[in-house]
Amino acid sequence: DAGVIQSPRHEVTEMGQEVTLRCKPISGHDYLFWYRQTMMRGLELLIYFNNNVPIDDSGMPEDRFSAKMPNASFSTLKIQPSEPRDSAVYFCASSLAGLDTDTQYFGPGTRLTVL
Amino acid sequence: AQSVTQLDSHVSVSEGTPVLLRCNYSSSYSPSLFWYVQHPNKGLQLLLKYTSAATLVKGINGFEAEFKKSETSFHLTKPSAHMSDAAEYFCVVSDVGGFKTIFGAGTRLFVKA
Repeated sequence: DAGVIQSPRHEVTEMGQEVTLRCKPISGHDYLFWYRQTMMRGLELLIYFNNNVPIDDSGMPEDRFSAKMPNASFSTLKIQPSEPRDSAVYFCASSLAGLDTDTQYFGPGTRLTVL
Repeated sequence: AQSVTQLDSHVSVSEGTPVLLRCNYSSSYSPSLFWYVQHPNKGLQLLLKYTSAATLVKGINGFEAEFKKSETSFHLTKPSAHMSDAAEYFCVVSDVGGFKTIFGAGTRLFVKA
């Protein structure tokens, strides 16, 4: 398996622009998680899905952030409009329901820079 | 409420000497506990996890961790450090089912030749 795939790996944009980050979870995994990593706040869980349904979005910082999972193999995290303080590395992770549900497999991350 | 505290932001060891990365947790439940490693510009990789089956957990690359309920600790150890172990290490606690994960602030491990 190729693992969790994220694109793009790097994104540089200007303040006010819309940014879309993409994630393809490991095939067959039921859960998908979006995280943000910054020096100041460390790793934060933003939202997670189960079977394509958002379960907990309490970590989403503002209404500017939205996430969707239209099918089992694809999810997006959108920021509109973007701000410099959104600059961070965004990770996607997935896990498989069952005895090993709590083991999450992380993608390589998307480094976002908002100028 | 759950929380996790990594007691050292940086640890420096010489190659071939033991590694100890300290983690204390707080949880209302019987938690699942994890250690993840992140090499520069990479995603996180699972080192090991504790899920109440055994208090001493062995992971990849020679790492192990011991769950001590009385001390609410889950320290990560390795008998002999290798240069390739230089990375950032995260202690993680999760609720039942593992959906609400809380990451520690991370400990950066430096390995000197």
